[in-house]
Amino acid sequence: EPEVTQTPSHQVTQMGQEVILRCVPISNHLYFYWYRQILGQKVEFLVSFYNNEISEKSEIFDDQFSVERPDGSNFTLKIRSTKLEDSAMYFCASSESFQPQHFGDGTRLSIL
Amino acid sequence: DQQVKQNSPSLSVQEGRISILNCDYTNSMFDYFLWYKKYPAEGPTFLISISSIKDKNEDGRFTVFLNKSAKHLSLHIVPSQPGDSAVYFCAGVYNNNDMRFGAGTRLTVKP
Repeated sequence: EPEVTQTPSHQVTQMGQEVILRCVPISNHLYFYWYRQILGQKVEFLVSFYNNEISEKSEIFDDQFSVERPDGSNFTLKIRSTKLEDSAMYFCASSESFQPQHFGDGTRLSIL
Repeated sequence: DQQVKQNSPSLSVQEGRISILNCDYTNSMFDYFLWYKKYPAEGPTFLISISSIKDKNEDGRFTVFLNKSAKHLSLHIVPSQPGDSAVYFCAGVYNNNDMRFGAGTRLTVKP
């Protein structure tokens, strides 16, 4: 069964550095999403992306964050000038139509 | 953001019995609800969904019930199996793909 794949599985970064989280959505999917889950808290929506542009974003997704689909397969989340509170699991998801969304296994981001 | 609430952080059930996971929501704009299951070190896996115009959807051992007037939905698993042990997330969707998750309920099915 097709899967959403995320790399790396664990990313350790110094505070203030930039980090790029990578995702390969399922190939025929058109909608792409990023979520995060801070340890012990709920899964939170960050952003949705369709037709090469952001379709929806949450209040968490401020100017520090950006997304890109640089080619036909990858979908990336860039976090500029990382902060300690950015430490979380980041999940990518994709969907063929609106629902259901299929999730990757996540990237654990640790900011030191 | 408390649009979706799962008030029970954990639930323990004997194998073969029914598991009932509950979810409440406040956003009346949700037009779709989904349940996801999550194992440790994995992403959420889609389980079952229900449109807001329905009150029940069944898929094998899994049934989701929606009570719109009470803004409540539940997931029934019958019979429960040890492999069902996981964290279950309820999610509401509006604007077609804007999804909000509950905090999750950890289900333990004991052999």
